[in-house]
Amino acid sequence: GENVEQHPSTLSVQEGDSAVIKCTYSDSASNYFPWYKQELGKRPQLIIDIRSNVGEKKDQRIAVTLNKTAKHFSLHITETQPEDSAVYFCATTTGNQFYFGTGTSLTVIP
Amino acid sequence: DAGVIQSPRHEVTEMGQEVTLRCKPISGHNSLFWYRQTMMRGLELLIYFNNNVPIDDSGMPEDRFSAKMPNASFSTLKIQPSEPRDSAVYFCASSLITGVTEAFFGQGTRLTVV
Repeated sequence: GENVEQHPSTLSVQEGDSAVIKCTYSDSASNYFPWYKQELGKRPQLIIDIRSNVGEKKDQRIAVTLNKTAKHFSLHITETQPEDSAVYFCATTTGNQFYFGTGTSLTVIP
Repeated sequence: DAGVIQSPRHEVTEMGQEVTLRCKPISGHNSLFWYRQTMMRGLELLIYFNNNVPIDDSGMPEDRFSAKMPNASFSTLKIQPSEPRDSAVYFCASSLITGVTEAFFGQGTRLTVV
């Protein structure tokens, strides 16, 4: 089955700095790559996604890049704010089964 | 749509008791997933259904766990007998079967087995 690895597991940045989270996957058939944000005590919610026919997608301060050849994708958050503090999960889908990374706990220091 | 609805939100039970978690997916979604989340193991897929049919239950920890989806609008996850190590947050999620759209999560059920 698919193997999704996510790094780093924890990340602390100063407010205003950028944060980058990286994921690798193993199944070349994976074709959808969502990113979820989970605030403490809440459910994971989609913040951005990218499909396999696109290399980059941006939504305000958040961007995702995908390198299908190398089988890795990354989340970039610019101008971080304290409300960006949360756990972030990458995921891939093969067929319609979702495989999640182990999560990155991001702390934005005011 | 109210989104994915799970009940109960919190459950505290004694070891050995049966626990039933419930999920109502988003109307029109034909894939349903049950996940377990713990600090140690993160988000683990337990089982998923397509069109009410279980497709992959390889994540179900052991025979004490069972899941059903009798119709398109309802699913249950049952643990019998429950053990303290089953304590976790259990999420239900639903999506369209295409595999290129997001999965929507319910609020989760926090299970504590004492």
